[in-house]
Formats: sequence, C-alpha cells, structure tokens
Amino acid sequence: DQQVKQNSPSLSVQEGRISILNCDYTNSMFDYFLWYKKYPAEGPTFLISISSIKDKNEDGRFTVFLNKSAKHLSLHIVPSQPGDSAVYFCAASNTGNQFYFGTGTSLTVIP
Amino acid sequence: ETGVTQSPTHLIKTRGQQVTLRCSSQSGHNTVSWYQQALGQGPQFIFQYYREEENGRGNFPPRFSGLQFPNYSSELNVNALELDDSALYLCASRDKRGGYNEQFFGPGTRLTVL
Repeated sequence: DQQVKQNSPSLSVQEGRISILNCDYTNSMFDYFLWYKKYPAEGPTFLISISSIKDKNEDGRFTVFLNKSAKHLSLHIVPSQPGDSAVYFCAASNTGNQFYFGTGTSLTVIP
Repeated sequence: ETGVTQSPTHLIKTRGQQVTLRCSSQSGHNTVSWYQQALGQGPQFIFQYYREEENGRGNFPPRFSGLQFPNYSSELNVNALELDDSALYLCASRDKRGGYNEQFFGPGTRLTVL
C-alpha cells in the first residue's frame, strides 16, 4: 500500500523557469514531510522539510507547500538550474522513526 | 568529519544464500536506519537501530535482521535470499536528538540476487 505517491515519474523544465514537483499522501496522521534529492550513484540528500503545523517553508530557491486538507505537498524550485537535474523524493512520517518515501520524480533542467 | 559509508558497493548472490551489508555512520551519529530501494521505487524503511537496539521496523520479514555496534556502525543481514531482494540498500545515520533534516544517507550497496 503506497502511502506516499509521486504521480509524475519525470519532468523537464527550461533553465530559469519554475519546477513544480508534486506529492500526495493518504495517511492523515503524517506530521512531518521532507524532500530529498538524489544523484546517480549517491545516496539521497536532504533538501527541505515542513511540519504539519505550517503550510509553507522556504529555503533559497526551494519552497515546499503543504495542503493538509488535500493531503498534498509540492516543491517549487525557482529559478531552475541545470545542476538541479536529479531524482526528487518526498517522504512523510508520523512517528519520527519510520519514513515513507514516494517513488520519485526525475527532473531534467534544460539549459 | 567523514560521511556515511557503506560496503560493499556491489554484490552478486544466488537465491538461498545469506548476505551481510555494512554501514559506518557519520561521526557523532547514534542512530542508523536501513532502507531498501527496488528499481523504480522509493526507499522503503527496513528498520532503525539506536544504542544497539532495534527501534522501529518496517514491513519486512524476520530474515532481514540487523546489528548496531558500540561505535554505532551497523550491519544488515539477509538470510535465504530471494530474487525480489535485488535492490539498492541504503543506510542513513543521524543523532537521535537531531532533526530528520540532519539524517545523512550513504551511497548504498547494490545487491543482485540471481
């Protein structure tokens, strides 16, 4: 049972434009959400997080939005850069011990 | 300060065999989690170790077991390997007092079961 879903396996964006990556979840008890970025042959690296008491968190070019009623979160990257090309995973937790990951979205930023 | 390291990088086993994967946590990190990432999927939580005790487990059978040592390094053992065990195995370490934004992943071990 996939509790965290990323329905877009891939996304292509022109350099300088906005990239929007989406994530949906089914468990209303999730209270902490993260986005990870993964390059080939490397482990995932933490990008940005948000707790359920917030609806937005911003860190430089990266902003995560959380819509609890829709059980939806999104990652906005503005402006997109070629170095942002990677696989992005969203993850969610309700216990702090176990994280549920989505299947990932492969972002390609075209120069 | 060294990051999370895993060994070996790649491994090929046959069905029914047993395998041990190793993880050295980042300096100062006392909690290690293991994940299985099958092809085209996201990482799935296997279990977490804190102070040498299992501290949370995902939906994996008992043939997946682990250890954490006093220096916080960890092992993942898988018995009676099945073809579906072929995956990238990731470990991640953090200080339990820290947030999950301070969890660092290793590069993974690619296990192929033939």
